[in-house]
Amino acid sequence: QSVLTQPPSVSAAPGQEVTITCSGSNSNIGNNYVSWYQQFPGTAPKPLIYDTNKRPSGIPDRFSGSKSGTSATLGITGLQTGDEADYYCGTWDSSLSAAVFGGGTKLTVL
Amino acid sequence: QVQLVQSGAEVKNPGASVKVSCTTSGYTFTSYGTSWVRQAPGQGLEWVGWISGYNGNTNYAQKFRGRVTMTIDTSTSTVYMDLRTLRPDDTAVYYCARDRNSATRDYWGQGTLVTVSS
Repeated sequence: QSVLTQPPSVSAAPGQEVTITCSGSNSNIGNNYVSWYQQFPGTAPKPLIYDTNKRPSGIPDRFSGSKSGTSATLGITGLQTGDEADYYCGTWDSSLSAAVFGGGTKLTVL
Repeated sequence: QVQLVQSGAEVKNPGASVKVSCTTSGYTFTSYGTSWVRQAPGQGLEWVGWISGYNGNTNYAQKFRGRVTMTIDTSTSTVYMDLRTLRPDDTAVYYCARDRNSATRDYWGQGTLVTVSS
């Protein structure tokens, strides 16, 4: 059971937009930065968003991050078949003194 | 460029120990901490713990305290994770990752598969 809650799967058509939510609490998302990772099978996670809404260099602006209260959201616009992957949110939990992740969301581009 | 290169796959018997290395380059090792994150087959990401590249201070996830030890070698910019008393459910890919801050791992190693089986 993950500390952060994500939907197991989301899907949308190519060119459309999708959002992936990540729900937590005041001890984690509510008072800390959020990061998002993209993972393809057999490869290491790749950072997409850090500090809640910043993109590393090389990440297209189709990817965006936001937060409201104890929930965070990853948005992806202009979906491409190459975006099919697992997406994870992550943050720090001040009560646990531990980094925590969501259970992951599988994105299918139909 | 920033790189984290991990040691190769391991197969261990239950009850044994495993030591995984993570050799870093492309940045000032002592300015960043390193986390270890594991992923069991078909499962999500699980944080194992963190070690400071500056002074070797550690913070382990509650679940692993007493079974894991993380160390650094600043002369080679290498981080080590030693996991003891292995169980079959420790079978996973173990990743090292540079910590940009407590909430973000910004560069990841390629992963090391540790298989625990008799």
